[in-house]
Amino acid sequence: GQNIDQPTEMTATEGAIVQINCTYQTSGFNGLFWYQQHAGEAPTFLSYNVLDGLEEKGRFSSFLSRSKGYSYLLLKELQMKDSASYLCAVMDSNYQLIWGAGTKLIIKP
Amino acid sequence: SQTIHQWPATLVQPVGSPLSLECTVEGTSNPNLYWYRQAAGRGLQLLFYSVGIGQISSEVPQNLSASRPQDRQFILSSKKLLLSDSGFYLCAWSPIPGGRPSTDTQYFGPGTRLTVL
Repeated sequence: GQNIDQPTEMTATEGAIVQINCTYQTSGFNGLFWYQQHAGEAPTFLSYNVLDGLEEKGRFSSFLSRSKGYSYLLLKELQMKDSASYLCAVMDSNYQLIWGAGTKLIIKP
Repeated sequence: SQTIHQWPATLVQPVGSPLSLECTVEGTSNPNLYWYRQAAGRGLQLLFYSVGIGQISSEVPQNLSASRPQDRQFILSSKKLLLSDSGFYLCAWSPIPGGRPSTDTQYFGPGTRLTVL
Protein backbone atom coordinates (compact mmCIF):
# COMPACT_ATOMS: atom_id res chain seq x y z
CA GLY A 1 0.00 0.00 0.00
CA GLN A 2 0.95 3.65 -0.18
CA ASN A 3 1.98 5.41 2.96
CA ILE A 4 3.14 8.84 4.08
CA ASP A 5 4.46 9.24 7.64
CA GLN A 6 5.06 12.47 9.50
CA PRO A 7 5.03 13.33 13.22
CA THR A 8 1.64 14.25 14.60
CA GLU A 9 2.75 17.29 16.56
CA MET A 10 5.88 19.33 17.23
CA THR A 11 6.60 22.28 19.50
CA ALA A 12 9.23 24.94 18.93
CA THR A 13 10.18 28.36 20.26
CA GLU A 14 9.77 31.67 18.45
CA GLY A 15 12.98 32.60 16.65
CA ALA A 16 14.28 29.02 16.60
CA ILE A 17 14.63 26.45 13.79
CA VAL A 18 12.46 23.37 13.37
CA GLN A 19 12.70 20.41 10.99
CA ILE A 20 9.58 18.44 10.06
CA ASN A 21 10.30 15.02 8.60
CA CYS A 22 8.28 13.02 6.10
CA THR A 23 8.90 9.46 4.92
CA TYR A 24 6.99 7.83 2.11
CA GLN A 25 6.32 4.58 0.33
CA THR A 26 4.39 5.05 -2.89
CA SER A 27 3.74 3.41 -6.25
CA GLY A 28 6.08 5.52 -8.31
CA PHE A 29 7.23 9.04 -7.65
CA ASN A 30 6.47 12.25 -9.51
CA GLY A 31 7.44 14.74 -6.85
CA LEU A 32 6.85 15.70 -3.25
CA PHE A 33 4.87 18.70 -2.05
CA TRP A 34 4.71 20.57 1.24
CA TYR A 35 1.64 22.58 2.15
CA GLN A 36 0.84 24.79 5.13
CA GLN A 37 -2.65 24.68 6.63
CA HIS A 38 -3.81 27.05 9.33
CA ALA A 39 -6.65 25.82 11.52
CA GLY A 40 -9.96 25.93 9.70
CA GLU A 41 -8.41 27.09 6.45
CA ALA A 42 -7.41 25.50 3.16
CA PRO A 43 -3.87 24.24 2.52
CA THR A 44 -1.51 26.64 0.77
CA PHE A 45 1.42 25.50 -1.35
CA LEU A 46 4.91 25.84 0.11
CA SER A 47 7.31 23.78 -1.97
CA TYR A 48 7.81 21.08 -4.59
CA ASN A 49 10.80 18.74 -4.85
CA VAL A 50 11.31 16.21 -7.62
CA LEU A 51 15.12 15.97 -7.63
CA ASP A 52 17.36 15.13 -4.68
CA GLY A 53 18.68 18.04 -2.71
CA LEU A 54 17.67 21.20 -0.92
CA GLU A 55 15.30 23.87 -2.23
CA GLU A 56 15.37 27.16 -0.35
CA LYS A 57 12.60 29.77 -0.31
CA GLY A 58 13.23 32.50 2.20
CA ARG A 59 12.79 31.15 5.74
CA PHE A 60 11.53 27.79 4.43
CA SER A 61 13.64 25.04 2.85
CA SER A 62 12.68 21.57 1.67
CA PHE A 63 14.97 18.60 1.21
CA LEU A 64 14.43 15.37 -0.72
CA SER A 65 16.21 12.03 -0.85
CA ARG A 66 14.45 9.74 -3.30
CA SER A 67 16.64 6.73 -2.51
CA LYS A 68 15.64 6.98 1.16
CA GLY A 69 12.02 7.92 0.57
CA TYR A 70 12.57 10.90 2.83
CA SER A 71 11.96 14.62 2.89
CA TYR A 72 12.08 17.36 5.45
CA LEU A 73 10.76 20.90 5.71
CA LEU A 74 13.05 23.30 7.56
CA LEU A 75 11.61 26.46 9.04
CA LYS A 76 14.04 29.13 10.27
CA GLU A 77 13.51 32.21 12.43
CA LEU A 78 10.17 30.89 13.57
CA GLN A 79 7.34 33.36 13.96
CA MET A 80 4.06 32.93 15.81
CA LYS A 81 2.21 32.97 12.48
CA ASP A 82 4.05 29.75 11.53
CA SER A 83 1.81 27.89 13.97
CA ALA A 84 -0.09 25.62 11.60
CA SER A 85 -0.25 22.08 10.28
CA TYR A 86 2.30 21.12 7.63
CA LEU A 87 1.18 18.53 5.11
CA CYS A 88 3.51 16.32 3.11
CA ALA A 89 2.12 14.87 -0.13
CA VAL A 90 3.69 12.63 -2.77
CA MET A 91 2.54 12.39 -6.37
CA ASP A 92 2.50 8.75 -7.46
CA SER A 93 2.91 7.17 -10.89
CA ASN A 94 -0.76 7.89 -11.70
CA TYR A 95 -0.27 11.59 -10.91
CA GLN A 96 -2.42 11.28 -7.79
CA LEU A 97 -1.37 13.05 -4.62
CA ILE A 98 -0.99 10.80 -1.58
CA TRP A 99 -1.30 12.89 1.56
CA GLY A 100 0.19 12.53 5.00
CA ALA A 101 -1.99 13.34 8.02
CA GLY A 102 -0.01 16.50 8.70
CA THR A 103 2.24 17.75 11.48
CA LYS A 104 0.76 20.29 13.85
CA LEU A 105 3.46 22.82 14.71
CA ILE A 106 3.01 24.79 17.92
CA ILE A 107 5.16 27.88 18.36
CA LYS A 108 5.74 29.17 21.89
CA PRO A 109 6.98 32.67 22.75
CA SER B 1 -4.42 35.87 -11.67
CA GLN B 2 -6.31 32.70 -10.89
CA THR B 3 -8.85 32.42 -8.11
CA ILE B 4 -10.97 29.54 -6.88
CA HIS B 5 -14.31 29.91 -5.15
CA GLN B 6 -16.30 27.49 -3.07
CA TRP B 7 -19.70 27.81 -1.47
CA PRO B 8 -21.20 27.58 0.96
CA ALA B 9 -18.49 28.09 3.58
CA THR B 10 -20.37 26.10 6.21
CA LEU B 11 -23.32 23.79 6.02
CA VAL B 12 -25.36 21.83 8.57
CA GLN B 13 -27.58 19.16 7.07
CA PRO B 14 -29.74 16.35 8.48
CA VAL B 15 -29.00 12.73 7.68
CA GLY B 16 -30.75 11.66 4.50
CA SER B 17 -30.90 15.14 2.98
CA PRO B 18 -29.36 16.00 -0.41
CA LEU B 19 -26.12 17.91 -0.91
CA SER B 20 -24.75 20.23 -3.55
CA LEU B 21 -21.38 21.97 -3.18
CA GLU B 22 -20.10 24.19 -5.94
CA CYS B 23 -16.61 25.18 -6.97
CA THR B 24 -15.61 27.63 -9.70
CA VAL B 25 -12.22 28.71 -10.98
CA GLU B 26 -11.42 32.04 -12.62
CA GLY B 27 -8.46 33.17 -14.67
CA THR B 28 -7.53 29.88 -16.30
CA SER B 29 -8.81 27.49 -18.95
CA ASN B 30 -9.08 23.71 -19.00
CA PRO B 31 -7.77 23.13 -15.48
CA ASN B 32 -7.62 19.81 -13.67
CA LEU B 33 -10.21 19.96 -10.88
CA TYR B 34 -10.32 17.96 -7.65
CA TRP B 35 -12.64 17.31 -4.72
CA TYR B 36 -11.04 16.30 -1.42
CA ARG B 37 -12.43 15.56 2.01
CA GLN B 38 -10.49 16.12 5.22
CA ALA B 39 -11.70 14.55 8.46
CA ALA B 40 -10.58 16.20 11.71
CA GLY B 41 -6.88 15.53 12.31
CA ARG B 42 -6.56 13.47 9.17
CA GLY B 43 -4.93 13.84 5.78
CA LEU B 44 -6.74 14.80 2.62
CA GLN B 45 -8.73 12.06 0.88
CA LEU B 46 -9.19 12.47 -2.86
CA LEU B 47 -12.83 11.92 -3.80
CA PHE B 48 -13.03 12.90 -7.48
CA TYR B 49 -10.92 14.52 -10.14
CA SER B 50 -11.67 15.81 -13.61
CA VAL B 51 -9.41 16.52 -16.57
CA GLY B 52 -12.17 18.04 -18.70
CA ILE B 53 -15.89 18.78 -19.12
CA GLY B 54 -17.95 15.69 -18.38
CA GLN B 55 -14.84 13.66 -17.45
CA ILE B 56 -14.99 12.49 -13.85
CA SER B 57 -12.83 9.91 -12.12
CA SER B 58 -13.93 8.53 -8.78
CA GLU B 59 -11.32 7.46 -6.27
CA VAL B 60 -13.47 6.22 -3.41
CA PRO B 61 -16.79 4.31 -3.67
CA GLN B 62 -19.41 6.20 -1.67
CA ASN B 63 -22.74 7.93 -1.85
CA LEU B 64 -21.21 11.06 -3.37
CA SER B 65 -21.04 12.04 -7.02
CA ALA B 66 -19.39 14.82 -8.98
CA SER B 67 -20.13 16.64 -12.19
CA ARG B 68 -18.33 19.15 -14.38
CA PRO B 69 -20.97 20.87 -16.49
CA GLN B 70 -18.64 23.68 -17.57
CA ASP B 71 -14.89 24.02 -18.00
CA ARG B 72 -14.35 25.88 -14.73
CA GLN B 73 -17.22 24.53 -12.64
CA PHE B 74 -17.07 21.44 -10.44
CA ILE B 75 -20.02 20.23 -8.37
CA LEU B 76 -20.10 17.68 -5.57
CA SER B 77 -23.47 16.09 -4.84
CA SER B 78 -25.24 13.51 -2.77
CA LYS B 79 -28.81 12.27 -2.86
CA LYS B 80 -28.81 11.16 0.80
CA LEU B 81 -26.20 12.30 3.29
CA LEU B 82 -24.73 9.96 5.91
CA LEU B 83 -23.27 10.91 9.28
CA SER B 84 -19.88 9.80 7.96
CA ASP B 85 -20.06 12.47 5.24
CA SER B 86 -19.24 15.17 7.78
CA GLY B 87 -15.92 16.85 7.13
CA PHE B 88 -14.05 19.67 5.47
CA TYR B 89 -14.55 19.57 1.69
CA LEU B 90 -11.90 21.16 -0.43
CA CYS B 91 -11.92 21.89 -4.13
CA ALA B 92 -8.58 22.30 -5.86
CA TRP B 93 -7.31 23.09 -9.36
CA SER B 94 -4.06 22.57 -11.19
CA PRO B 95 -2.98 23.95 -14.56
CA ILE B 96 -2.57 21.30 -17.25
CA PRO B 97 -1.77 21.43 -20.92
CA GLY B 98 -3.99 19.41 -23.16
CA GLY B 99 -6.30 17.91 -20.54
CA ARG B 100 -4.00 15.31 -19.08
CA PRO B 101 -2.73 14.65 -15.54
CA SER B 102 0.52 16.38 -14.65
CA THR B 103 2.81 17.21 -11.78
CA ASP B 104 1.54 20.77 -11.59
CA THR B 105 0.88 22.18 -8.16
CA GLN B 106 -2.66 22.01 -6.84
CA TYR B 107 -4.23 25.16 -5.44
CA PHE B 108 -7.09 24.97 -3.00
CA GLY B 109 -10.32 26.84 -2.52
CA PRO B 110 -11.41 28.07 0.92
CA GLY B 111 -13.35 24.87 1.68
CA THR B 112 -16.81 23.95 2.94
CA ARG B 113 -17.25 22.63 6.45
CA LEU B 114 -20.13 20.14 6.37
CA THR B 115 -21.78 18.81 9.51
CA VAL B 116 -24.34 16.05 9.11
CA LEU B 117 -26.61 15.61 12.13
